[in-house]
Amino acid sequence: KAGVTQTPRYLIKTRGQQVTLSCSPISGHRSVSWYQQTPGQGLQFLFEYFSETQRNKGNFPGRFSGRQFSNSRSEMNVSTLELGDSALYLCASRQGVDEQFFGPGTRLTVL
Amino acid sequence: GEDVEQSLFLSVREGDSSVINCTYTDSSSTYLYWYKQEPGAGLQLLTYIFSNMDMKQDQRLTVLLNKKDKHLSLRIADTQTGDSAIYFCAESPFSGGYNKLIFGAGTRLAVHP
Repeated sequence: KAGVTQTPRYLIKTRGQQVTLSCSPISGHRSVSWYQQTPGQGLQFLFEYFSETQRNKGNFPGRFSGRQFSNSRSEMNVSTLELGDSALYLCASRQGVDEQFFGPGTRLTVL
Repeated sequence: GEDVEQSLFLSVREGDSSVINCTYTDSSSTYLYWYKQEPGAGLQLLTYIFSNMDMKQDQRLTVLLNKKDKHLSLRIADTQTGDSAIYFCAESPFSGGYNKLIFGAGTRLAVHP
């Protein structure tokens, strides 16, 4: 089985722009979660989607949003980018309640 | 509350055993995880343990769980240079529906000859 894939792998944006990141889960996995990784804050949970519904949300401003499609693929969007949004954004998928597999991440740089 | 703590750095000699420790706060966490991250890469799931277990062994990896003290450890036997990476401990608290992982800051493991 193919693993979790994320596109694009690298992205450079300027402040005020918006960005959309994409995640394709492992085939058969219906749950997709997003995490932000920064040197200062570490790994932080953004949100989780299951069957096109947001099931859980972390403590991030409303500029961060996401959605999930009927094929379980997920996108996250960040509007009005700030310098502090520069991070590695990781997507994870799971089928049951135990194993959660991560993708390689999208490295976002905001200038 | 939700908090996971790990020591930040560990240096070991090639061939020795490495022990990475972690403490967590949420007793409702059902699964506890160990992930590995190499430079420029995502997180690789190494192993996980169910909260009603004390120990889990998987080849060179041994996980010990002390639920009373909320202490988790990962032992890597015969550590190799390829094991050099950052290791993250994570818990899955009930308050997050078990779907939200709370990560520690990560332990950087350096393996030297």
